[in-house]
Amino acid sequence: ELKVEQNPLFLSMQEGKNYTIYCNYSTTSDRLYWYRQDPGKSLESLFVLLSNGAVKQEGRLMASLDTKARLSTLHITAAVHDLSATYFCAVVQEGVGNEKLTFGTGTRLTIIP
Amino acid sequence: DGGITQSPKYLFRKEGQNVTLSCEQNLNHDAMYWYRQDPGQGLRLIYYSQIVNDFQKGDIAEGYSVSREKKESFPLTVTSAQKNPTAFYLCASSMWPVDTQYFGPGTRLTVL
Repeated sequence: ELKVEQNPLFLSMQEGKNYTIYCNYSTTSDRLYWYRQDPGKSLESLFVLLSNGAVKQEGRLMASLDTKARLSTLHITAAVHDLSATYFCAVVQEGVGNEKLTFGTGTRLTIIP
Repeated sequence: DGGITQSPKYLFRKEGQNVTLSCEQNLNHDAMYWYRQDPGQGLRLIYYSQIVNDFQKGDIAEGYSVSREKKESFPLTVTSAQKNPTAFYLCASSMWPVDTQYFGPGTRLTVL
């Protein structure tokens, strides 16, 4: 069974600082997704990482994938208050005609002015 | 505008009642999904459907039922057999094989 773990679960950081969220998964996969969720809202797609070594950047967020280590990171540069949200990674569980996403537990990020 | 709609936004259910949550998409996506999210938790897959008239159980299908009679629609029924249905329900769709899933705004279900 595929397990997806994120850490930390909660992160409180000051504006202007850098930090990294980690996503570990337990079985082979070469596709990983990052989503953002604001309180009480739905999920918004941020990145899809399709191969080993893939790196994607959007504004102050940068995501990377190491399929050999089964690890993805979401790096936040010079955090601003607008980035406060819960961030989820999700991994494709591959199987014969049975592909589906398994989500991590989420990292709740709070940026303090 | 292309997107996914869910209705109602809020739903209250009495003990022993079945309720149906609506999900419609006009993105021409093949696959549709239902997830449940409990407070402070991640998403758990209830059911998913790759094509019309076919669907698969997810990780927590007990007490739920679905149908997929049209490509655009994937309603979820929460039956009285679901012991603890109070949660936030999210519908999503994607192309198939699994591609980026796009989510609807969600339905918040409360059992009175």
